[in-house]
Amino acid sequence: SSELTQDPAVSVALGQTVRITCQGDSLRSYYASWYQQKPGQAPVLVIYGKNNRPSGIPDRFSGSSSGNTASLTITGAQAEDEADYYCNSRDSSGNQVFGGGTKLTVL
Amino acid sequence: QVQLQESGPGLVKPSQTLSLTCTVSGGSISSGDYYWSWIRQPPGKGLEWIGYIYYSGSTYYNPSLKSRVTISVDTSKNQFSLKLSSVTAADTAVYYCARANSGFGELAFYVDPWGQGTLVTVSS
Repeated sequence: SSELTQDPAVSVALGQTVRITCQGDSLRSYYASWYQQKPGQAPVLVIYGKNNRPSGIPDRFSGSSSGNTASLTITGAQAEDEADYYCNSRDSSGNQVFGGGTKLTVL
Repeated sequence: QVQLQESGPGLVKPSQTLSLTCTVSGGSISSGDYYWSWIRQPPGKGLEWIGYIYYSGSTYYNPSLKSRVTISVDTSKNQFSLKLSSVTAADTAVYYCARANSGFGELAFYVDPWGQGTLVTVSS
């Protein structure tokens, strides 16, 4: 089965840029989607497809991909961006999988 | 704007069947090219796919749960449901219903929106 690997924790200084990565073989063929989850809340979609943001998501969030790695970049991180971030993708068998999640701390 | 709301018992005994319903408002469950999904999150842990039912009726189940899971749709009530049999304490989690979509020639798959989630505890 497919597997997506994320760093458990990442920190960024307020106003700086941070990249959160997601690695997996399926990402060579399929796009990742990215979700932000704050404590006690449901996840929210922030990036999907090549680099698409749903309505209402700030343009400081962007996505990219290279080889087996997908990345979520936050340019000018804000205090309200502190959250858990999850990637998701499918594989050729149609299996869906989430990464283990990255806890982002804004210092 | 489509909204989803989970409902069902918050406490289930071990070996019994967990049953949850998701009510969809703001849009018809039978219109559109969507995957009506269930995802769960054990306390303090990450997200896990349970499965989905496509608008055509076809289903996908997580291979690790497939033998215990059934997802169905009731279009007359604009609802879809989850049944998970033979539950154990390991099935204790917040259960989310959500709508998923594919795009970019099915190279992308994304989940939006999500329900608020409901905590189900498995305990005697």
